[in-house]
Amino acid sequence: GQQVMQIPQYQHVQEGEDFTTYCNSSTTLSNIQWYKQRPGGHPVFLIQLVKSGEVKKQKRLTFQFGEAKKNSSLHITATQTTDVGTYFCAGEVVDSSNTGKLIFGQGTTLQVKP
Amino acid sequence: DAGITQSPRHKVTETGTPVTLRCHQTENHRYMYWYRQDPGHGLRLIHYSYGVKDTDKGEVSDGYSVSRSKTEDFLLTLESATSSQTSVYFCATSVLTDTQYFGPGTRLTVL
Repeated sequence: GQQVMQIPQYQHVQEGEDFTTYCNSSTTLSNIQWYKQRPGGHPVFLIQLVKSGEVKKQKRLTFQFGEAKKNSSLHITATQTTDVGTYFCAGEVVDSSNTGKLIFGQGTTLQVKP
Repeated sequence: DAGITQSPRHKVTETGTPVTLRCHQTENHRYMYWYRQDPGHGLRLIHYSYGVKDTDKGEVSDGYSVSRSKTEDFLLTLESATSSQTSVYFCATSVLTDTQYFGPGTRLTVL
C-alpha cells in the first residue's frame, strides 16, 4: 500500500545544534504537510507544500518539497528547548476522489538538551 | 485551534464491550477524520467523512464503524473492543482537503 517513511525516529541534540527530519513517499504526492505534536498534546499544523521543488521558511524552520514530489524535509537551525516534540510529515496522495486523506509518516521525536 | 472537542478524554473498558467515542466541532468544517496513534506507527486513518452521512474507510478500519448524522458530530464505534484497540484516538477536521485541525485526543484502554 501507499507509505510515507520518515527518518530518523528519534533525535537528541544539544541546544543550538541543527536538526533535520526526512520524509519519503512510495508514490507521488499532491501536497505534503508538516505537523508538530508536543509531549501529551495533539498534532498542530505547521505548513503545507504544494509545488515541486518548493522551499518555505518559518523563522528557524525550513521546509522543502522534492522535485519529484515524493520526498520532503524539515530543517531546524539552532534548536531551542521549545522545539521539543514529535514532527510528522503527512502526504496527500494524488487521487481523483479529492477526499483529503493524508498518509502520515511515523514521526521524528526531537529531544533538546539545554 | 478550531473548536474541536472529544469525549470521553479517557476510558478504560473490558474486552468484548462496545465503545463509542464522540467528536464535536463548532467550525462547520466539511471533512472529519478519525485516527489512532500508536508508538512507532504515527497516525493511522481509521475512517473519514466528507459530508453528512458520507463516510469511507481508512487504512485501519477493521473493527471500527462511524456515523455522521450532523455536520458537527462524528462518532467512532468499536463494536466489540479488543486489547489491540488500546490506543490514543484523535479526531480531526478540515475545511477543504488541506490543513487538518486535531482534537485533544481520547486515551482508550481495553483490558
